[in-house]
Amino acid sequence: QVTLRESGPALVKPTQTLTLTCTFSGFSLSTSGMCVSWIRQPPGKALEWLALIDWDDDKYYSTSLKTRLTISKDTSKNQVVLTMTNMDPVDTATYYCARMPAAAGPFDPWGQGTLVTVSS
Amino acid sequence: AIRITQSPSSLSASTGDRVTITCRASQGISSYLAWYQQKPGKAPKLLIYAASTLQSGVPSRFSGSGSGTDFTLTISCLQSEDFATYYCQQYYSYPPETFGQGTKVEIK
Repeated sequence: QVTLRESGPALVKPTQTLTLTCTFSGFSLSTSGMCVSWIRQPPGKALEWLALIDWDDDKYYSTSLKTRLTISKDTSKNQVVLTMTNMDPVDTATYYCARMPAAAGPFDPWGQGTLVTVSS
Repeated sequence: AIRITQSPSSLSASTGDRVTITCRASQGISSYLAWYQQKPGKAPKLLIYAASTLQSGVPSRFSGSGSGTDFTLTISCLQSEDFATYYCQQYYSYPPETFGQGTKVEIK
């Protein structure tokens, strides 16, 4: 059974750096074609793709947020970490990680999500 | 970047109704389109991939069609558990960074 679970702070202050961890089981990020992405969703709004890391350690970022994002993986721990710098209240959202089991495929499954609020 | 336009943004329907949601891509994406269902407070769930292939366990009242730039999600006989928000997503480009804006299906 494939599962993913996001963890990190529920509250961060403006200008701080957010670090989120996606811990997964049931698959290996060393498998050819395997990818993990981060997606976020502000309250009441649509999904926004943020970043992706693949089995070959290639990394991709949202064009609008690329200067603030860093994605990395620890294959031995089955974890993917996302950092986002200079947090702002508009970054308040539920952050999801999701598996992409093929380099050209949909996201499945998703983690349950973690709500991050940016406020002083 | 490929843009996706999803419509309508919301609709009201009754149990038993046939519901159709559309997504249009700004360029051809072959059949590289997925549909997700999201219920309040929950993560999105994959319903359909490759434009028309039902994910395992998804009821057959859901169907998808289209290729190129125009795609449709149809719910043939709306059930109470189908009231949710639906998103399309293209994965023709790598990374697959584009989602539709969502369609909220509400009870009439």
